[in-house]
Amino acid sequence: AQSVSQHNHHVILSEAASLELGCNYSYGGTVNLFWYVQYPGQHLQLLLKYFSGDPLVKGIKGFEAEFIKSKFSFNLRKPSVQWSDTAEYFCAVKGGYGNKLVFGAGTILRVKS
Amino acid sequence: GAVVSQHPSRVICKSGTSVKIECRSLDFQATTMFWYRQFPKKSLMLMATSNEGSKATYEQGVEKDKFLINHASLTLSTLTVTSAHPEDSSFYICSATLVGEQFFGPGTRLTVL
Repeated sequence: AQSVSQHNHHVILSEAASLELGCNYSYGGTVNLFWYVQYPGQHLQLLLKYFSGDPLVKGIKGFEAEFIKSKFSFNLRKPSVQWSDTAEYFCAVKGGYGNKLVFGAGTILRVKS
Repeated sequence: GAVVSQHPSRVICKSGTSVKIECRSLDFQATTMFWYRQFPKKSLMLMATSNEGSKATYEQGVEKDKFLINHASLTLSTLTVTSAHPEDSSFYICSATLVGEQFFGPGTRLTVL
């Protein structure tokens, strides 16, 4: 079965620091990859997605992610975080048997102002 | 983007009672909706796939007689937790698909006393 792992459950950064959140998945075939964000008290929102083409994907609010097929990874990055980026971030992968969306455990990001 | 709503946002019930949670796609029609359960500090776990006009498809380990799903129209799916017990306390999230992308509801916090 498809599995998704996110490397850190909690990350604390100061404003203007750079961010990289790791995500690895297990399925070796064709996948669709997603990063979702959940701000406090709000529902999950799509940050960015990769289906095919350029492996460097740009999303909303200055976020980007890079798909590295050989490493089964889809890490999320932002050069300079803001206090408003405080949220929980979920990596999700669709592919393999059943073609269902499988989520990682999430990473809680807290940005100190 | 497309909007998915859930009602209620929070519900507290006594053990042994049944609770119904509604999921609506507000500005689009969804032939498929998904129900997830989110445990504290854990990922979203897919419970079932709800198909309009047909029976839901449940994930392994999810009791179909306990978690009744009805997708009676293209904009409404309901999840009924029957004979709820404290271990059913959780955060339940639905999502609906539009053009291959999943949009999520705000979630329902169920507390069973």
